[in-house]
Amino acid sequence: DVKVTQSSRYLVKRTGEKVFLECVQDMDHENMFWYRQDPGLGLRLIYFSYDVKMKEKGDIPEGYSVSREKKERFSLILESASTNQTSMYLCASSAYYGQGRIYSNQPQHFGDGTRLSIL
Amino acid sequence: AQTVTQSQPEMSVQEAETVTLSCTYDTSESDYYLFWYKQPPSRQMILVIRQEAYKQQNATENRFSVNFQKAAKSFSLKISDSQLGDAAMYFCASDSNYQLIWGAGTKLIIKP
Repeated sequence: DVKVTQSSRYLVKRTGEKVFLECVQDMDHENMFWYRQDPGLGLRLIYFSYDVKMKEKGDIPEGYSVSREKKERFSLILESASTNQTSMYLCASSAYYGQGRIYSNQPQHFGDGTRLSIL
Repeated sequence: AQTVTQSQPEMSVQEAETVTLSCTYDTSESDYYLFWYKQPPSRQMILVIRQEAYKQQNATENRFSVNFQKAAKSFSLKISDSQLGDAAMYFCASDSNYQLIWGAGTKLIIKP
C-alpha cells in the first residue's frame, strides 16, 4: 500500500514564524500535492510538483512556497505565518499516467493531515 | 473556472439502508475523470470510486456505485447496505488534467 507520511499531526506556531510542513511518500510517485482544507470550502490546491525541483502554483499559493529536492519528499513552507493560515493541511501523491500536462487523472493518496494553528 | 457542487452539506441514513449523495460539475473538457473520496473522522482521505467520462458504464466498487449522467454533468454516489464505518465526509472531485477540482463535501451520518 502507498504510504504518505506527514511530519506532524498537530502544530502550533506564532505569527511571523517560518513554518515547515514535511511530506514523504514511499511509492515513487511523480506527482505530489499540498492542499488546504477548510470547512465548507473543500480542498484547495496550494502547490503541486510533477518532478524533482519542478513545481506549479495551485489556486491559493500566496504566502506559501514549496520545495522538492528529492522525489519522495515535498515540503510546504509558510514564509511568515499569519492567523489566516490556521487550517488543516493535506499532502497527497499520485502516479503520472498519460502524455503531456496530465497530473490529476490518477487516484491521489493522502497523508493524515496536519492541523496547524497560528497564534 | 471549473466548479464542483455538492448541494447536501449533511445527510443521514439508517444502518443497512441505501443513501445517495449528489454531485454536479462544470467542465469544458471532453475527456476527464470523476472521483469520490471519503474522509473518516480519523482524517485520512481515501478513494472510494473513479469514473472515466468516456465510459458509458457506471463504476461500481462493492456497495458503492455511481450514477453518471454526462449530459447533465451529474455524478451521484450510491451507498447500499450502509454500515457504521461509512460515516465520513464525502468529497466529489472533477479532473481537469491539470488538477482536481473539489466539492465542499457532504457529511454522512449513519444511524444505528
